[in-house]
This record gives sequence, structure tokens and C-alpha cells, in this order.
Amino acid sequence: EAQVTQNPRYLITVTGKKLTVTCSQNMNHEYMSWYRQDPGLGLRQIYYSMNVEVTDKGDVPEGYKVSRKEKRNFPLILESPSPNQTSLYFCASSKPATDTQYFGPGTRLTVL
Amino acid sequence: AQSVTQPDIHITVSEGASLELRCNYSYGATPYLFWYVQSPGQGLQLLLKYFSGDTLVQGIKGFEAEFKRSQSSFNLRKPSVHWSDAAEYFCAVGARAGGYNKLIFGAGTRLAVHP
Repeated sequence: EAQVTQNPRYLITVTGKKLTVTCSQNMNHEYMSWYRQDPGLGLRQIYYSMNVEVTDKGDVPEGYKVSRKEKRNFPLILESPSPNQTSLYFCASSKPATDTQYFGPGTRLTVL
Repeated sequence: AQSVTQPDIHITVSEGASLELRCNYSYGATPYLFWYVQSPGQGLQLLLKYFSGDTLVQGIKGFEAEFKRSQSSFNLRKPSVHWSDAAEYFCAVGARAGGYNKLIFGAGTRLAVHP
């Protein structure tokens, strides 16, 4: 089954404790991206990747890092989380020829 | 700059009634337009998309949307709403940044369905 998976689905942590949210897709998509969803703001792009070892900032990259060492994986790293990063995070992937993006189930992060 | 506006934050309809969710976009070129639905606790599911051609597009679950270039709109419609349609709906425009396909989302419209 074609899908985008994220782990963990729920995470509660404390300020400053480094964490990683994993994202994996099995559709051989070149493009992957991370979004955060906040009430009244819709989804905003954090980082994206056009292919292996090619990443770039989206609209709200501060406080986040990403890496793309393999085509299927695109982890999101919070080196020192802060309470304003409490949000719902989505990973997405797509083929370069279309704009249809496929979303993971989301990760709800709470930073205390 | 590209933007998407969904004027209605919340909408409540009765089951069986018709539905129209509004979406207006601002984009310099020919847009790629999408509607996604997010059920409670779920990820985003693509309902339908417009790339080119016929301006009335059909999607899943009985939804349709009409692209009106003159009004910069892409409103979502359904003739008869079911209780299972209660969810949050997002309109998005596809933009190209450095060759990458980027989606710009509206703030969403939360739909409640009364029995």
C-alpha cells in the first residue's frame, strides 16, 4: 500500500530536549516536505527536499533541521524544542511532475 | 505573493442539505488548485484537484469544485451532505519555488453536520 508514515504519532517532551520525528514514504517520490498545522493558520511549510542530499527552508524553518540521506526518509529534528513548537506536524511527498502531495497521518507534539 | 483565503471558519449544515465551501486564491500564474479534507485525528486526504481543462472537477465522496478564473475562486460543493462529512476542509494552491512543488494552504473551514 502506497503510504507516508510518521513516528511517533504523539509526543510530549520538555523544553530543550532534542527530538526527532521520522517520516518515510514507499512511493519512490523525489520531493518531500514538512508542515506544521496550527489553529487558524492552516498548514505552513517548514522544510522541503527535492532529492537526496538536497534540502531547503520553507516558510517557518526557525528551530528545525532536516536531513535527506535516503530517498524514502526525511526526518525532522528539533535540537532544542520550545513551547511555541507545540503543534501538529505533517510530512508529505510528491512526484516532481505533479503537485499532488500525499500526507502522513501527523505527529502531535507538545513541548512543556 | 501567493495566498489562499477561506472566508468561513465554521459552517453548520443539516444532513441532506447542500454545501458550498468558499475558496479564493491569489496567484500570478495559472494555478494548480486542491481541496483536502481532514477528519478528526486523521491526516489530510485529497478530495479533488484542478490542473487544467474542464473547470468543473469531480472528486471523491460526491464532492465537486468549480474553478472560476475571473473570480479567483475554487469553491467546493456537495449536493447532499452526510453526517460523515463533518471534518475540516482545506483549500490549497500549488506554487513552484525553485522547481519544487509547494502547497499554500488556506486556514481551513470546519464543517459540522446536524442530524
